[in-house]
Amino acid sequence: GAGVSQSPSNKVTEKGKDVELRCDPISGHTALYWYRQSLGQGLEFLIYFQGNSAPDKSGLPSDRFSAERTGGSVSTLTIQRTQQEDSAVYLCASSYRDPSGANVLTFGAGSRLTVL
Amino acid sequence: GEDVEQSLFLSVREGDSSVINCTYTDSSSTYLYWYKQEPGAGLQLLTYIFSNMDMKQDQRLTVLLNKKDKHLSLRIADTQTGDSAIYFCAESRLRGSTLGRLYFGRGTQLTVWP
Repeated sequence: GAGVSQSPSNKVTEKGKDVELRCDPISGHTALYWYRQSLGQGLEFLIYFQGNSAPDKSGLPSDRFSAERTGGSVSTLTIQRTQQEDSAVYLCASSYRDPSGANVLTFGAGSRLTVL
Repeated sequence: GEDVEQSLFLSVREGDSSVINCTYTDSSSTYLYWYKQEPGAGLQLLTYIFSNMDMKQDQRLTVLLNKKDKHLSLRIADTQTGDSAIYFCAESRLRGSTLGRLYFGRGTQLTVWP
């Protein structure tokens, strides 16, 4: 596809359930990011994948959160035993380096998660 | 500090200039970026500047970089209601960072009044 695709676009779940959010990055982009954006809270970094390097997981808020990237492409963010404070928009981005060396990110439209 | 800092809100009247400010953390950061987020959408790259430059102009957008003070600004000339959005500053750090990762500020909500 032409852009970063995220699914589902909207997810409503009950407290305590597990959810999986999917990100299809742009083909050929070597890096992939997950962010979380809550109302009035700004952009919160979650995890960063770069090629075959170990991911930077320093932003994951608890051990209920995990992410994987299979085959260097599609990524899944999993939230176990969801809590109401997990309600947010989860944004995925993939990136490449342009000829000047700048790291250019393309974001998906996000997955809005509501935990009741 | 360790965070990229931005003021949270800015309001301007249509036709005026807007200036959005950002303080970043690493004086050796190679690239500084501005992203824009419109309601209900992901972030889009607006422009970026390489650290050996002081200024970059692109139509109505002017980016100013003060490396000594680690200060970045985005000026929007003749601001329009369609410019209302959240604007994010980001840096590519070299020190104490994960290679290649961008570090974002929390975003500045720009509201343009007709």
